[in-house]
Amino acid sequence: AQSVTQLGSHVSVSEGALVLLRCNYSSSVPPYLFWYVQYPNQGLQLLLKYTTGATLVKGINGFEAEFKKSETSFHLTKPSAHMSDAAEYFCAVTSSGGSYIPTFGRGTSLIVHP
Amino acid sequence: EAGVTQFPSHSVIEKGQTVTLRCDPISGHDNLYWYRRVMGKEIKFLLHFVKESKQDESGMPNNRFLAERTGGTYSTLKVQPAELEDSGVYFCASSPGNTIYFGEGSWLTVV
Repeated sequence: AQSVTQLGSHVSVSEGALVLLRCNYSSSVPPYLFWYVQYPNQGLQLLLKYTTGATLVKGINGFEAEFKKSETSFHLTKPSAHMSDAAEYFCAVTSSGGSYIPTFGRGTSLIVHP
Repeated sequence: EAGVTQFPSHSVIEKGQTVTLRCDPISGHDNLYWYRRVMGKEIKFLLHFVKESKQDESGMPNNRFLAERTGGTYSTLKVQPAELEDSGVYFCASSPGNTIYFGEGSWLTVV
């Protein structure tokens, strides 16, 4: 069984400030971890993923995330928020063996203030 | 390379009517998934095809929902008869392996 917890349904930051979106997971086997972003009225776009190897992964639009096994976390960060980052962000986990069906967190809406 | 495409993008139907959503996966992807997000709630798994076979349909809410994947290519998801609680966005996704790529979604409103 696997699950994802995203702390905070809404996160508000000022333009230029650090973005930190939290994700903790539960998985009985080594996980594969993903962040997806959904802009208003659009589909889900893959931001970045961790499968194996380097635990710090870089994605599109300046985002990155670090897999910390000891903390069962995969937090998403961006050093400087831009207005265009305003969207809903979803963390997802799949198991490393099997059918790779992702389980999603509830999502975090990122609000960026000018 | 074309991404996952879904049709229609938006649909408004009356309670009791039938709606069929279509998904064309990325060419060559054997795995096809359907997910649903009801307003304000989490994204929920509905089912998973491998080629034309249903691998896992544990997330299908009830027998008003029927999914098919003809010849292992495109897939359809039919809701018959639609109920108010079926409103939401239906995402289709495909993958060659461990990374899943989503379509733009089909927004369904049942009135």
